[in-house]
Amino acid sequence: DQQVKQNSPSLSVQEGRISILNCDYTNSMFDYFLWYKKYPAEGPTFLISISSIKDKNEDGRFTVFLNKSAKHLSLHIVPSQPGDSAVYFCAVYSGGSNYKLTFGKGTLLTVNP
Amino acid sequence: EAGVAQSPRYKIIEKRQSVAFWCNPISGHATLYWYQQILGQGPKLLIQFQNNGVVDDSQLPKDRFSAERLKGVDSTLKIQPAKLEDSAVYLCASSLGALRDIQYFGAGTRLSVL
Repeated sequence: DQQVKQNSPSLSVQEGRISILNCDYTNSMFDYFLWYKKYPAEGPTFLISISSIKDKNEDGRFTVFLNKSAKHLSLHIVPSQPGDSAVYFCAVYSGGSNYKLTFGKGTLLTVNP
Repeated sequence: EAGVAQSPRYKIIEKRQSVAFWCNPISGHATLYWYQQILGQGPKLLIQFQNNGVVDDSQLPKDRFSAERLKGVDSTLKIQPAKLEDSAVYLCASSLGALRDIQYFGAGTRLSVL
């Protein structure tokens, strides 16, 4: 069973507009959330994170929102640039004694010039 | 600062053959991870080392997969014998510690089993 779900396999937006990528999780023990970006033939690179004690974290053009009651987080990219075109993975750390990172399937973002 | 190094980048083998992948983590990183990423899926953790000890290998198919971390630095992941369903990208990552630390990934090894 998928504990981390990214229900949109792909998203296409125009340059300069907002990109919103969504992620849902099922386990309330998850307490630290990350977004990774992956270009073809490269490994995933860390983008931004948020702890469960916060509901928003911002870093330049990237903002992550966390809605714990809905078990939902989203990544906003404003403004979107063609260089943002990549696969975005939502990843979550569980609490407890073993901090394992669980990834979603990813969303392919295409930003059109 | 050098990143996580992996080799080879690509490997093609026939089923029932054996294969090995190598990883050199970022200097000073105590924790090393091996992930398997099948096409269209997110990375799935196979094994996690803290220094040279295994922390989690619950998802490692131990009948065919093995891994070791020599002297708490480099690591090798071996598959013997390989099956068709082992075709995937094998990613190595490292982090300073293990408590919600950011993991830094290598470029991966793309394995094709024919």
